[in-house]
Amino acid sequence: DAMVIQNPRYQVTQFGKPVTLSCSQTLNHNVMYWYQQKSSQAPKLLFHYYDKDFNNEADTPDNFQSRRPNTSFCFLDIRSPGLGDAAMYLCATSRAPGSSAYEQYFGPGTRLTVT
Amino acid sequence: GEDVEQSLFLSVREGDSSVINCTYTDSSSTYLYWYKQEPGAGLQLLTYIFSNMDMKQDQRLTVLLNKKDKHLSLRIADTQTGDSAIYFCAEKEAGSYQLTFGKGTKLSVIP
Repeated sequence: DAMVIQNPRYQVTQFGKPVTLSCSQTLNHNVMYWYQQKSSQAPKLLFHYYDKDFNNEADTPDNFQSRRPNTSFCFLDIRSPGLGDAAMYLCATSRAPGSSAYEQYFGPGTRLTVT
Repeated sequence: GEDVEQSLFLSVREGDSSVINCTYTDSSSTYLYWYKQEPGAGLQLLTYIFSNMDMKQDQRLTVLLNKKDKHLSLRIADTQTGDSAIYFCAEKEAGSYQLTFGKGTKLSVIP
């Protein structure tokens, strides 16, 4: 089945210790997204890639970076995690927005704990 | 800016219909979506409706869109305990990548 996969599902890191979360997709979609979701809140878009073109949301902290080495994979790097970065991180994919059927498909998420 | 509002909680008895409501402010919305999130899981796309439609039905799910009032609803017929989850309404503007989500409605199904 075509899908969006995130690894690991649960990640514990120490305050200030860099951490990388990974996402892969078998849907061959052009666009990949990273969202942050804190408890009882809506997902908040951090950034997205349209193919290799990176697009950062204006209020995404510099502490968050992303890499997309190829169509299938996208990584979220948190350079110096703070306690406030503890959240669920959701990866999503879609075709380009002009497509006739525009749907974003989400992975299962990675729950990040910062100690 | 765009805003999507939902009530936070809904409780229904098993077998009854559930209706989850959503209002949005962006008149240029082209697609409106309903996602389901179970505890500790990602978002599952349930259904979506294009802004030139009034209604869409998919098995137990019925989406109604009142574009004039900017009101979207999701009706779940014969609600089951497995439907207990948080339901997010989201909208997308033409040409935009971003989905704007509501805060989610927690649906509790009482056996």
